[in-house]
Amino acid sequence: DVKVTQSSRYLVKRTGEKVFLECVQDMDHENMFWYRQDPGLGLRLIYFSYDVKMKEKGDIPEGYSVSREKKERFSLILESASTNQTSMYLCASSSSQQGGRETQYFGPGTRLLVL
Amino acid sequence: AQTVTQSQPEMSVQEAETVTLSCTYDTSESNYYLFWYKQPPSRQMILVIRQEAYKQQNATENRFSVNFQKAAKSFSLKISDSQLGDTAMYFCAFTETSGSRLTFGEGTQLTVNP
Repeated sequence: DVKVTQSSRYLVKRTGEKVFLECVQDMDHENMFWYRQDPGLGLRLIYFSYDVKMKEKGDIPEGYSVSREKKERFSLILESASTNQTSMYLCASSSSQQGGRETQYFGPGTRLLVL
Repeated sequence: AQTVTQSQPEMSVQEAETVTLSCTYDTSESNYYLFWYKQPPSRQMILVIRQEAYKQQNATENRFSVNFQKAAKSFSLKISDSQLGDTAMYFCAFTETSGSRLTFGEGTQLTVNP
C-alpha cells in the first residue's frame, strides 16, 4: 500500500512564527504536491515538485516556500505565519510515468490554526 | 487556464438509492484526464474513478460510474446502491496529458442517510 504521511494532524501557531509542515512518501514517487483545502474553494495547489531539488509554483504560492532535499520528503514552509493561512494542508504524491493519468495519493492532512 | 466547477455544495440520498454528482470543466485541450476523488470524514482522500478524454466509453468501477459528455464538458458521477460508507466530500479534478498537476472543483458533500 502506498503511504503518504504528514508530520502533524493538528498544529496551533502564533502570527509571525515560522512553520514547517513535512510530508513523506514511501512509493519512490517522482511528483509531490502541497495543497490547501478551504470550504467552498476545494483544493488549491501551493507548490509541487517533480524531482529532488526541483519545485514549481502552483496557483497560490504567496507566503509559502518548499524544500525537497530527498526524493521521499517534501516540506512546506510558512516563513511568517498569518491568520489567513489557517487552513487544512494536504500533501500528495504520484508517479510521473503515466503521462497525466496517474493517481495522486494523499496524506491525512494537517489542520493548521494561526492565532 | 483550466477550471472545474461543482455546482452542488451538498447532497443527500437514502441508503440503497442512486445519486448523481455534477461536474463541469473548461479547457482548450483535446486530450486530458478527469477524476473523481473521495474524502471520507477524517480520512485520507482516495481516487474513485478516472476517465480518459479520448475514450468514448464511460468509466465504471463497481457501483460508481461516470457520464462523460465531452462536447458539453460535463463529467458527472453516479453512485448506485448508495451505502453509509459513501458519505464523504467528493471532488472532481482535471489534468492535461502533458502534466501531472490536478485542478480541483469546489467539492460536493454527500450524506447517505439510513
